[in-house]
Amino acid sequence: KNQVEQSPQSLIILEGKNCTLQCNYTVSPFSNLRWYKQDTGRGPVSLTIMTFSENTKSNGRYTATLDADTKQSSLHITASQLSDSASYICVVTRSNDYKLSFGAGTTVTVRA
Amino acid sequence: GAVVSQHPSWVICKSGTSVKIECRSLDFQATTMFWYRQFPKQSLMLMATSNEGSKATYEQGVEKDKFLINHASLTLSTLTVTSAHPEDSSFYICSALPGLAGDNEQFFGPGTRLTVL
Repeated sequence: KNQVEQSPQSLIILEGKNCTLQCNYTVSPFSNLRWYKQDTGRGPVSLTIMTFSENTKSNGRYTATLDADTKQSSLHITASQLSDSASYICVVTRSNDYKLSFGAGTTVTVRA
Repeated sequence: GAVVSQHPSWVICKSGTSVKIECRSLDFQATTMFWYRQFPKQSLMLMATSNEGSKATYEQGVEKDKFLINHASLTLSTLTVTSAHPEDSSFYICSALPGLAGDNEQFFGPGTRLTVL
């Protein structure tokens, strides 16, 4: 079954601190993995995309890693800001039909 | 970057009425658009894949007669929720795929919050 599991379900951090979100997947065959940020009541916005051969990708204060052997990915947020409060969704694309498998998301709350 | 809009952003309707939601790709042509539904604190669930000029492909468990999809042009797809009921209340999100399907990114709209009373 093509699944994407994210942890933790939610977390609260203080402004300026770092945090790491986890994503494990069983989706096969694998095409790429994206991390999206979804603000409340808004559509998802892509942060990073990684293919099979890529281990790490950065976008500003967001750094994603991928271990295609263990089928694990992480998203690291550095020096968090209040505007980072959102749901972060891990999405894996299958290479045979290009359908997306979504994780349930991790809700991040950054407090002053 | 590629921009996808949805209209309306929110709608409240009475049970039994129909509601139409529009999804537009503003600065690119999209041969394929997707409709998702998202319940609170849950993941996006694909409802259907819409291809310009042809019938939509619905996911298992999604009633095609209840959720009518029309993709009449390369920049517009519409989702009509017919005879809406309170259980249809949800956040509906569309996405658009530029050009040919492949590993291109799906660009998501801002979503439409539907509340059925």
